[in-house]
Amino acid sequence: DGGITQSPKYLFRKEGQNVTLSCEQNLNHDAMYWYRQDPGQGLRLIYYSQIVNDFQKGDIAEGYSVSREKKESFPLTVTSAQKNPTAFYLCASSLAADTQYFGPGTRLTVL
Amino acid sequence: KQEVTQIPAALSVPEGENLVLNCSFTDSAIYNLQWFRQDPGKGLTSLLLIQSSQREQTSGRLNASLDKSSGRSTLYIAASQPGDSATYLCASAGTGNQFYFGTGTSLTVIP
Repeated sequence: DGGITQSPKYLFRKEGQNVTLSCEQNLNHDAMYWYRQDPGQGLRLIYYSQIVNDFQKGDIAEGYSVSREKKESFPLTVTSAQKNPTAFYLCASSLAADTQYFGPGTRLTVL
Repeated sequence: KQEVTQIPAALSVPEGENLVLNCSFTDSAIYNLQWFRQDPGKGLTSLLLIQSSQREQTSGRLNASLDKSSGRSTLYIAASQPGDSATYLCASAGTGNQFYFGTGTSLTVIP
């Protein structure tokens, strides 16, 4: 089955803790993206990567970090510097600027 | 920076009715325009993609149009069904492989 997987589905973070969200794709897509979705708002771009070992900041990169060591994987770390991390996080991949394919999402809650 | 707007934010229609969802964007220099469906707590599913050189795309009961000069796209849903109830988002792709999303229209089809 081809597609994008995200784990975990639900994640709870304590104050001051770093957490990492996993995103894996087997679609052989070069580009991968991380978005944040808050209630009543559209998707906001956190980071994106067009090729292995390269990534660019999106509109709301502060408090987040990523890596792209393998084509298939694009993990997102939510650091303690992100003051309001409670949100729904979506990972996507695409061939260049073609159709984006999304994972099922990770819901992060700060305790 | 591209701004994407969707009106209305919410829409309720009786089953069987035809309906139109609207999407407007400020920068006409887009690579393509995509429409997505999102069910509650889930990721996004791509419905239709219109390349910048195209005027419309059709898939089953769905038809999407694109007018770059006016910065508008519409999604037409024919003979609506309760299973069409979801949030519909549009996104424009520009240079640099970035996608900009609208805030979505929440559709409820009443049986």
